[in-house]
Amino acid sequence: EAGVVQSPRYKIIEKKQPVAFWCNPISGHNTLYWYLQNLGQGPELLIRYENEEAVDDSQLPKDRFSAERLKGVDSTLKIQPAELGDSAVYLCASSSGGVTDEQFFGPGTRLTVL
Amino acid sequence: GQNIDQPTEMTATEGAIVQINCTYQTSGFNGLFWYQQHAGEAPTFLSYNVLDGLEEKGRFSSFLSRSKGYSYLLLKELQMKDSASYLCAAMDSNYQLIWGAGTKLIIKP
Repeated sequence: EAGVVQSPRYKIIEKKQPVAFWCNPISGHNTLYWYLQNLGQGPELLIRYENEEAVDDSQLPKDRFSAERLKGVDSTLKIQPAELGDSAVYLCASSSGGVTDEQFFGPGTRLTVL
Repeated sequence: GQNIDQPTEMTATEGAIVQINCTYQTSGFNGLFWYQQHAGEAPTFLSYNVLDGLEEKGRFSSFLSRSKGYSYLLLKELQMKDSASYLCAAMDSNYQLIWGAGTKLIIKP
């Protein structure tokens, strides 16, 4: 079974530029999460999807971040414009059922904003 | 506020046993997770406890005391590959996961 796929793995951009991350969850997983993780810290939830519906986006900085999950499968997270403080690893995770189910994480995208 | 506390770093010897503690304060409680994260890699699931008591899974065991807001992860027969960060995460009444900063475990030969 293929795991969660993310691309790109690494991205370096200058501040004020836009950037987008893509995630393909495990087949059949209805729940999809986007997290950011800073070095030495735990993941911080940005948004959670149940199928194509964003059921928890309370931590998403909506002035510059946006996300979509068309057709309830792949998802894209966008930052526009990026700021220096956005440098972090962006993790995508998926789970098959309820929120108490195990989450399977992708390898992440390491973003560096210069 | 909601909070997770776990030690920043621990050191143990190969073949020994180590216990990583986690205390939590959440608005309501819907279970506690432990994840393992090797440097530069994604977290991987280790355990989920929602009832009090000890659950054993091979060399790893996880314990929960809801009344004390306390959990621990017990690793036996430590191997060098167990060197990683161990993340404790508690789920609140809104089913949001509150993550700790992780405990970096260093295994020495």
